Amino acid sequence: SQKIEQNSEALNIQEGKTATLTCNYTNYSPAYLQWYRQDPGRGPVFLLLIRENEKEKRKERLKVTFDTTLKQSLFHITASQPADSATYLCARRAGQNFVFGPGTRLSVLP
Amino acid sequence: DVKVTQSSRYLVKRTGEKVFLECVQDMDHENMFWYRQDPGLGLRLIYFSYDVKMKEKGDIPEGYSVSREKKERFSLILESASTNQTSMYLCASSSPGVDTQYFGPGTRLTVL
Repeated sequence: SQKIEQNSEALNIQEGKTATLTCNYTNYSPAYLQWYRQDPGRGPVFLLLIRENEKEKRKERLKVTFDTTLKQSLFHITASQPADSATYLCARRAGQNFVFGPGTRLSVLP
Repeated sequence: DVKVTQSSRYLVKRTGEKVFLECVQDMDHENMFWYRQDPGLGLRLIYFSYDVKMKEKGDIPEGYSVSREKKERFSLILESASTNQTSMYLCASSSPGVDTQYFGPGTRLTVL
């Protein structure tokens, strides 16, 4: 079965630093990977999608990479702020549905 | 902006009760999904629907059923609630060919 692993359950970093979150997938490479942000008690919100033929994608302070050799996507938040504190989910397509990772809870400390 | 709404943010029910969770989306999306989210387990798909009156089982359909009588509305039904169905329930919608899911705010269900 296709699985998504996010190797850190929680990550604490200092404000202003770059946060790096990891997403690993099993079996064949998905056509793309997605990243979502989820705040406590709320539903996930879509952030970025990266396709397998794209090495890197950026949106403001966010950067996502896709390495099909390592079967991995990295999600970076540069110049992190306390408002970036949330849980970040990685997801892949599985047939007509989506499979989500368990998420990484990021805390940006002032 | 896409809006997905869920009927309740918090719900407390007793074991054995029948529970209805409703989800409505306003963007004419064909696809709708019900997930539950538990600590350490992530989002798990319960049921999904790609058209009115159509439904497909997800990974954990046991103890649940769904109804989609109108395109904008997708209901999740717990026929006889049990304590192990205490969870956060999330509804989502999407359009075919557009690979983004839009989620509702979630319903935190507690079964006593």
